[in-house]
Amino acid sequence: GESVGLHLPTLSVQEGDNSIINCAYSNSASDYFIWYKQESGKGPQFIIDIRSNMDKRQGQRVTVLLNKTVKHLSLQIAATQPGDSAVYFCAETPTMSSGEKLTFGTGTRLTIIP
Amino acid sequence: DAEITQSPRHKITETGRQVTLACHQTWNHNNMFWYRQDLGHGLRLIHYSYGVQDTNKGEVSDGYSVSRSNTEDLPLTLESAASSQTSVYFCASSATGTVTDTQYFGPGTRLTVL
Repeated sequence: GESVGLHLPTLSVQEGDNSIINCAYSNSASDYFIWYKQESGKGPQFIIDIRSNMDKRQGQRVTVLLNKTVKHLSLQIAATQPGDSAVYFCAETPTMSSGEKLTFGTGTRLTIIP
Repeated sequence: DAEITQSPRHKITETGRQVTLACHQTWNHNNMFWYRQDLGHGLRLIHYSYGVQDTNKGEVSDGYSVSRSNTEDLPLTLESAASSQTSVYFCASSATGTVTDTQYFGPGTRLTVL
């Protein structure tokens, strides 16, 4: 996941614009990746996932890009809406070995400006 | 609708007291997880269960215990609360034991240990 820090990285985006949130991971064995959205006072919510045999996966208004060479993951949100304001974090795991668990990043706080 | 609930949502306790956080899911999922979330860290796994009478330690299990007497509930007990256990605690569940299976999170319990 992302580097550890005491404060969340923040991103402010004008409503209607596109946003890109980044995540760097360190485990080269990781082959499954997830993006979560966490609204204030709520639990994390699954957004989209991607396996390492893919470079790109699209959902509704969201796209995840995976660059295995530099161990980087990004989440693109198109035409942002006020309801997109939340903390977004990635999770990663190797899947080839049994007993593996998710490693979670620290997150980026996205604020949509009306 | 199926859901996962946690109680209490907020708890203040004193150092040395025993505290139990409840988690209840109506998904009929076999797998349940407890995480803690702290600034500067991603979600960290405390304990998990793959079914009734099954419990396993996660990466930060010291000072915590769980028991699984039925499918729906996985209570988390802090045997003797410490200030380092001040955190937000999330329970999650998933249908199978596969790490790629979507985990559904509860709303969280904010615990303060004074």
